[in-house]
Amino acid sequence: GENVEQHPSTLSVQEGDSAVIKCTYSDSASNYFPWYKQELGKGPQLIIDIRSNVGEKKDQRIAVTLNKTAKHFSLHITETQPEDSAVYFCAASRGAGGTSYGKLTFGQGTILTVHP
Amino acid sequence: GAVVSQHPSWVICKSGTSVKIECRSLDFQATTMFWYRQFPKQSLMLMATSNEGSKATYEQGVEKDKFLINHASLTLSTLTVTSAHPEDSSFYICSAPTVNYGYTFGSGTRLTVV
Repeated sequence: GENVEQHPSTLSVQEGDSAVIKCTYSDSASNYFPWYKQELGKGPQLIIDIRSNVGEKKDQRIAVTLNKTAKHFSLHITETQPEDSAVYFCAASRGAGGTSYGKLTFGQGTILTVHP
Repeated sequence: GAVVSQHPSWVICKSGTSVKIECRSLDFQATTMFWYRQFPKQSLMLMATSNEGSKATYEQGVEKDKFLINHASLTLSTLTVTSAHPEDSSFYICSAPTVNYGYTFGSGTRLTVV
């Protein structure tokens, strides 16, 4: 099955700095790579996702890059703010499209702390 | 759009009793529901996949007789933790795939077994 590795496990930055979280996956058939933000006691919230036919996607301060050959993808947050502090998870899934979605495999999570 | 409502948000029960967790898709039809368990400071681990009108598929190591999943309609999936024990205490989260919004997650249920 799919195995997703995520690094670093903790990340501490100063407000305004950039933060980068990296993930690798093992299943070459995976084609959907979402990133989630989880606050304490809440369910994960999708912040950005990318499909395997795209190499990069950006949404304001958040961007995701995908390297299919190397099987890794990264989350980039620019101009970080204290409210960005949370746990971030990457995930991978195969068969994502239309009404067909395979199960998600999650990375181990990254605790991001943004200091004012 | 694509909201999954999960209840209860937290529950405390005595050892040996059963607890039911509900997940409802509010504005779409959820033919599939994924159920996850998350221990403190850990990632989400898939427990089982339910499909409307058929038996759930459980991940290796998950006891199907202990974690009963019912997906009787396109808008409701339930997870019942039977004969709960303290080691079942965890954060349980449901998730449904959607056409336009990827996977949408419930808000989670914090189960504490005393």
